Amino acid sequence: AQTVTQSQPEMSVQEAETVTLSCTYDTSESDYYLFWYKQPPSRQMILVIRQEAYKQQNATENRFSVNFQKAAKSFSLKISDSQLGDAAMYFCAYRTDQTGANNLFFGTGTRLTVIP
Amino acid sequence: EAGVTQSPTHLIKTRGQQATLRCSPISGHTSVYWYQQALGLGLQFLLWYDEGEERNRGNFPPRFSGRQFPNYSSELNVNALELEDSALYLCASSRTGHGAYEQYFGPGTRLTVT
Repeated sequence: AQTVTQSQPEMSVQEAETVTLSCTYDTSESDYYLFWYKQPPSRQMILVIRQEAYKQQNATENRFSVNFQKAAKSFSLKISDSQLGDAAMYFCAYRTDQTGANNLFFGTGTRLTVIP
Repeated sequence: EAGVTQSPTHLIKTRGQQATLRCSPISGHTSVYWYQQALGLGLQFLLWYDEGEERNRGNFPPRFSGRQFPNYSSELNVNALELEDSALYLCASSRTGHGAYEQYFGPGTRLTVT
């Protein structure tokens, strides 16, 4: 079974600084997808970024980028120029490429605090 | 474009009762997923519906069930409620097919069982 591990329950960053959230996963599959979701206090889960395992290039979305290390099964999220609105729970998630199993496997989350 | 909607926002039930939660997907999405977010347990996959059929379910007892209607909206039913069913229930929708179709989440229903 796939497992996703986020080893940092809490992180903090100064406004305008950079922070990296860690995620590792365990799978025997070669094709899969990885996601980072953000859940602010309003509790609505928002997709931040996604990565296809077959792509070597790391995904980037504005101030958010990932460091995808397939061999190490590592998928970290870097937030540059942190803003107060970035404060939230961040969840790493895995999805297989196999037909019939579209559900996401989530890590336990990292609570990010942004210090003004 | 309207996002995923869920109702009600909050639901308070007594142990042993039944709860019904509703979800409307984004227009054009045929897949609906249900997740349970219980305190201390993270997000756990419950059910996946697509084209009116249950496609996959997580490790939950049969008293968690649901259905998907012809307009792709979905209903989650929880029978014989137990105290540990208290959680935030999130619904997500996506397109269907082979590919990295992102799941978009609704705001959730907070179920409290007393």
